[in-house]
Amino acid sequence: GIQVEQSPPDLILQEGANSTLRCNFSDSVNNLQWFHQNPWGQLINLFYIPSGTKQNGRLSATTVATERYSLLYISSSQTTDSGVYFCAVGQGGSEKLVFGKGMKLTVNP
Amino acid sequence: EPEVTQTPSHQVTQMGQEVILRCVPISNHLYFYWYRQILGQKVEFLVSFYNNEISEKSEIFDDQFSVERPDGSNFTLKIRSTKLEDSAMYFCASSTYLTQYFGPGTRLLVL
Repeated sequence: GIQVEQSPPDLILQEGANSTLRCNFSDSVNNLQWFHQNPWGQLINLFYIPSGTKQNGRLSATTVATERYSLLYISSSQTTDSGVYFCAVGQGGSEKLVFGKGMKLTVNP
Repeated sequence: EPEVTQTPSHQVTQMGQEVILRCVPISNHLYFYWYRQILGQKVEFLVSFYNNEISEKSEIFDDQFSVERPDGSNFTLKIRSTKLEDSAMYFCASSTYLTQYFGPGTRLLVL
């Protein structure tokens, strides 16, 4: 099946810093979503982005489908950005999302 | 903004007992899903449900698991005889087509 690799696995930042999270996937996809899992375990939708670029406040995402990767940018990070970020992909002919292992972000005040 | 809801938020059960996890998907969504996340691990797909039947399931979703949409709003996951390794966070999700929206999860602990 499709493989989803996220990097880096862990990241520690000071408040106000910027960061880039990367998601590589091993096959073509028709669905790619970024999630933030907060300390209570909830999965919050950040972006649906199988291709192109989107922005939402301090967050933006870019997916280059032809090169099989996606990037999530967090600018001016805040302590509330802490948590685990997951990339998940879906392929045509299947309804499931396949998740990466996640990236744990810690933002210190 | 509409959201997926799940009950209970936490459940503790004894090994061998049956549990039913409940979900109310977003009202105009057509596809429903269950995923689970063992503590500290990645989220894994269990099953998808469309047009009142299972459309896809993973190897994890064996005969101990079943899903049902008993009425127009609820979507349930039943585990018939729980095992210690069933301890996990269980997420329900729903979608109109591709973008899946996740509920807050039910944390199941099997003792």
